[in-house]
Amino acid sequence: EAGVAQSPRYKIIEKRQSVAFWCNPISGHATLYWYQQILGQGPKLLIQFQNNGVVDDSQLPKDRFSAERLKGVDSTLKIQPAKLEDSAVYLCASSPLGTPKNIQYFGAGTRLSVL
Amino acid sequence: AQKVTQAQTEISVVEKEDVTLDCVYETRDTTYYLFWYKQPPSGELVFLIRRNSFDEQNEISGRYSWNFQKSTSSFNFTITASQVVDSAVYFCALSEVTGGTSYGKLTFGQGTILTVHP
Repeated sequence: EAGVAQSPRYKIIEKRQSVAFWCNPISGHATLYWYQQILGQGPKLLIQFQNNGVVDDSQLPKDRFSAERLKGVDSTLKIQPAKLEDSAVYLCASSPLGTPKNIQYFGAGTRLSVL
Repeated sequence: AQKVTQAQTEISVVEKEDVTLDCVYETRDTTYYLFWYKQPPSGELVFLIRRNSFDEQNEISGRYSWNFQKSTSSFNFTITASQVVDSAVYFCALSEVTGGTSYGKLTFGQGTILTVHP
């Protein structure tokens, strides 16, 4: 079974530029999560989708971050404009259902460097 | 609010030593789930174990064992006879059930960097 796919693996941009990350979850998984992992810290949830609807985006900086999951499968996370503090690894995860006991399966992440 | 603390930032051991990674959590819920994940240099978080708040039975899986103690809000992880391949960052995480409306948000600790030297 294929795991969670993310691209690109690495991205370097200048501050104030825009960037987009892509995630394809495990087939059949209804729930998709985007996490931000700053160096030396644990991942922090940015947004959670259940199929193509948002169920939690309380930690998403909505003035610059946006995400969509139009057909309830793959998802795109965008940052516009980027700031230096956005340098981090962006992890995508999926689970069969968005319940507390469900195991989340993670992709390898996209490492973003903002210069 | 939920919180997970992994007080050990870095641990360094020599191969074949036993090592214990500590995890302490805070929650107001009586029902919750605890997880351990491993993050090797490749970056992907790999699921290791899940425990629900009503199951305090310790678990052993090969060289790995977990000690869940609700009285002290701890969920510690021990690797017996460590190997170089165990070198990674290990995360403890908590998922609450808040009035039945929680959607499985994971709150992670800061992680413990484990280095096993040959």
